[in-house]
Amino acid sequence: KAGVTQTPRYLIKTRGQQVTLSCSPISGHRSVSWYQQTPGQGLQFLFEYFSETQRNKGNFPGRFSGRQFSNSRSEMNVSTLELGDSALYLCASSFRFNTEAFFGQGTRLTVV
Amino acid sequence: EDKVVQSPLSLVVHEGDTVTLNCSYEVTNFRSLLWYKQEKKAPTFLFMLTSSGIEKKSGRLSSILDKKELFSILNITATQTGDSAIYLCAVYNNNDMRFGAGTRLTVKP
Repeated sequence: KAGVTQTPRYLIKTRGQQVTLSCSPISGHRSVSWYQQTPGQGLQFLFEYFSETQRNKGNFPGRFSGRQFSNSRSEMNVSTLELGDSALYLCASSFRFNTEAFFGQGTRLTVV
Repeated sequence: EDKVVQSPLSLVVHEGDTVTLNCSYEVTNFRSLLWYKQEKKAPTFLFMLTSSGIEKKSGRLSSILDKKELFSILNITATQTGDSAIYLCAVYNNNDMRFGAGTRLTVKP
């Protein structure tokens, strides 16, 4: 079956702009989690959505937000971009939270 | 504060060697522990462990969890150059999945 699809794969944005990233989970999976990966901080949990509701949230500022649609696809939005937001953003799909999670290829965001 | 610590951070071995990667954790409301392999971008799922003392095995890879001592190990036998990657350990609690910094394994021919 198809894996987790993230779009776009690469993005370059300017400080102050906003960006929206998309994640399509594995068919039948209803939980989508988002992570930020940087060389200094490693993989950090942003938030998790299940059945269109945000169920869990990591320790990130309110500039980071997300949503999930009825088909389980999820989007993540970052407003007022800062240089420090440059990172690989990964989404993970699972049947529900605390089950095997499968990652997409990620979106590489560069803020200049 | 919850934490997941992996050791060693980096490891260089030769093909055919056996390696053991370690993951210790201090996490409130522990639910499960997962191992991933990350080569370029997407971490690839290896194992999920919830019960103590039960070994999970897939080919040359195996893993076990000790919930009393709060650690897990990932063993790779007869290593191959294709095993070169970063191995990540992650722990689910009630609210999030917390990752360790990873172990970078390099397997030389």
